[in-house]
Amino acid sequence: DIVMTQSPDSLAVSLGERATINCKSSQSVLYSSNNKNYLAWYQQKPGQPPKLLIYWASTRESGVPDRFSGSESGTDFTLTISSLQAEDVAVYYCQQYYSPPFTFGPGTKVDIK
Amino acid sequence: EVQLVESGGGLVQPGGSLRLSCAASGFTVSSNYMSWVRQAPGRGLEWVSVLYSTGTTYYADSVKGRFVISRDNSKNILSLQMNILRAEDTAVYYCAGGIGTAGTSLHYWGQGTLVTVSS
Repeated sequence: DIVMTQSPDSLAVSLGERATINCKSSQSVLYSSNNKNYLAWYQQKPGQPPKLLIYWASTRESGVPDRFSGSESGTDFTLTISSLQAEDVAVYYCQQYYSPPFTFGPGTKVDIK
Repeated sequence: EVQLVESGGGLVQPGGSLRLSCAASGFTVSSNYMSWVRQAPGRGLEWVSVLYSTGTTYYADSVKGRFVISRDNSKNILSLQMNILRAEDTAVYYCAGGIGTAGTSLHYWGQGTLVTVSS
């Protein structure tokens, strides 16, 4: 099974500042035939279901603000919130959908400093 | 607009069974990639099962042999039959859908249904 790890467990960032969340897969999630990383990022606010933010590691879902961006380097993935807004307080999860079981990372909680 | 609405959750004794349903609108269950994801109280997300449009299914090791994912194409409903339930199966169960036949992210989510396994 592919193990997903995230860091940090939590972070507090001032409004308007950058927030960076890291995710690492225990093996490659890059499908060579289409050169896509099978990695998604989700946002979950309290009492709500998760919401898809980013898929294929760096493609923003329709309607997601452009302050959210995803990047990759090998088996390391990053979700960046360029300018944190109050409504971004949430837990963020990465997930690989390359190989079942389609494991999630443990989550990173983002708060306002 | 896509809507996924789960039902069937509730309180069940250890060793018991429960069947969850997910009614889809604006989204065809049989043509796309459907999953169940659960979240124990205060915990993170745990992937449970997937059903591809081809009919192929996969399960997390924690539920393999006890849970069965299926769909009713005529009613556009996804189901999860849960047997031999354990206390550790207590969670909110989300139905989620991905666009395409297999190997996609989960674009659509229901609000979830709570399953409590307790005597």
